[in-house]
Amino acid sequence: ILNVEQSPQSLHVQEGDSTNFTCSFPSSNFYALHWYRWETAKSPEALFVMTLNGDEKKKGRISATLNTKEGYSYLYIKGSQPEDSATYLCAFFTGTASKLTFGTGTRLQVTL
Amino acid sequence: GAVVSQHPSWVICKSGTSVKIECRSLDFQATTMFWYRQFPKQSLMLMATSNEGSKATYEQGVEKDKFLINHASLTLSTLTVTSAHPEDSSFYICSARYLGDQPQHFGDGTRLSIL
Repeated sequence: ILNVEQSPQSLHVQEGDSTNFTCSFPSSNFYALHWYRWETAKSPEALFVMTLNGDEKKKGRISATLNTKEGYSYLYIKGSQPEDSATYLCAFFTGTASKLTFGTGTRLQVTL
Repeated sequence: GAVVSQHPSWVICKSGTSVKIECRSLDFQATTMFWYRQFPKQSLMLMATSNEGSKATYEQGVEKDKFLINHASLTLSTLTVTSAHPEDSSFYICSARYLGDQPQHFGDGTRLSIL
């Protein structure tokens, strides 16, 4: 059973704060690491698919880094806005099994 | 693009009823669809993977006869919870993927409550 862990479980920040969360995953049999944003009453939305060690991806104020050797990825949000409030999920993709194993997510709440 | 529609979004029914949930990819052909279940405060747990035209691959511990999956076309997969009981009450969500290394596109999920 693959173990994908995310921390913290929840986070409450003020508008304008920058924040980051962690996803830890097995360092063996790595194929890809996915990040999704899941807003309440909506479907999960893909943010990034990361495949290369040292990779860094950016989408607006959100960026992510990847370290496959030590098995972790960081997601950063710069200048958080209330619309960033959501649960952020990471998922580990093994090419051999061709399926995603999800972490439990980090719930972010951004207030004015 | 890449819209996945899931229906119904909410179901309440009596114990012993069978419930069918549909998952449709609206603007792309999904070679693979996935069905997940989420218990409160837990992660999305994969139930099964379905490829168009072939039998679904179930994860360990998921009863094939309880959760029937059909993927008859590249745009439609269905999950039928047969003879549902209160312990089947949960949140079920589907996703669809075109290629293996691409992100999955999710439906909105179905909240199933069995009385």
